[in-house]
Amino acid sequence: AQSVTQPDIHITVSEGASLELRCNYSYGATPYLFWYVQSPGQGLQLLLKYFSGDTLVQGIKGFEAEFKRSQSSFNLRKPSVHWSDAAEYFCAVGLAGGTSYGKLTFGQGTILTVHP
Amino acid sequence: DSGVTQTPKHLITATGQRVTLRCSPRSGDLSVYWYQQSLDQGLQFLIQYYNGEERAKGNILERFSAQQFPDLHSELNLSSLELGDSALYFCASSPGGSRQFFGPGTRLTVL
Repeated sequence: AQSVTQPDIHITVSEGASLELRCNYSYGATPYLFWYVQSPGQGLQLLLKYFSGDTLVQGIKGFEAEFKRSQSSFNLRKPSVHWSDAAEYFCAVGLAGGTSYGKLTFGQGTILTVHP
Repeated sequence: DSGVTQTPKHLITATGQRVTLRCSPRSGDLSVYWYQQSLDQGLQFLIQYYNGEERAKGNILERFSAQQFPDLHSELNLSSLELGDSALYFCASSPGGSRQFFGPGTRLTVL
């Protein structure tokens, strides 16, 4: 069964600093990979996704993520964090086929705190 | 706004009771997914419907059931509620593939 690990439960950065949130997955083939953001009391908003092709993907709000097959990782990055980026971030894996096509498996989430 | 609506926004009920959560997908999306978000289990996939038929099941308890109606809205029924069922329940819809659009969720509190 596929699994997703986000090793950092909570990360604190200063506004303007760079950010990297880690995500490792376990799956037998190349999965579909996603990063979602959840603000307090809100639903999940898709930041970016990787299906195939270029391993560096650009998303909304200035985020990017790099798929590294050799490391089974899909880390999320942002060069300069804004206070409004404070939220919880989820990495997710989607299946590419079979009866569970479309089902997402989520990591435990990383809470990002931004200091002024 | 994702275009997915969920009602009610909040629900407070007692143990042993039954509740129904409702989800309206984005216009044209045939797939509906239900997820449960709790502090101890995180975000977990419950069940998926596609055009009225059950497509996949995840960690859904036997006390829970769902259906998708001809107009594509979906309902998640939770019965014999326990304290541990308190969670945020999300519905997501998809036009196909793995991209999903999430609703704002229904927060269920079981007292």
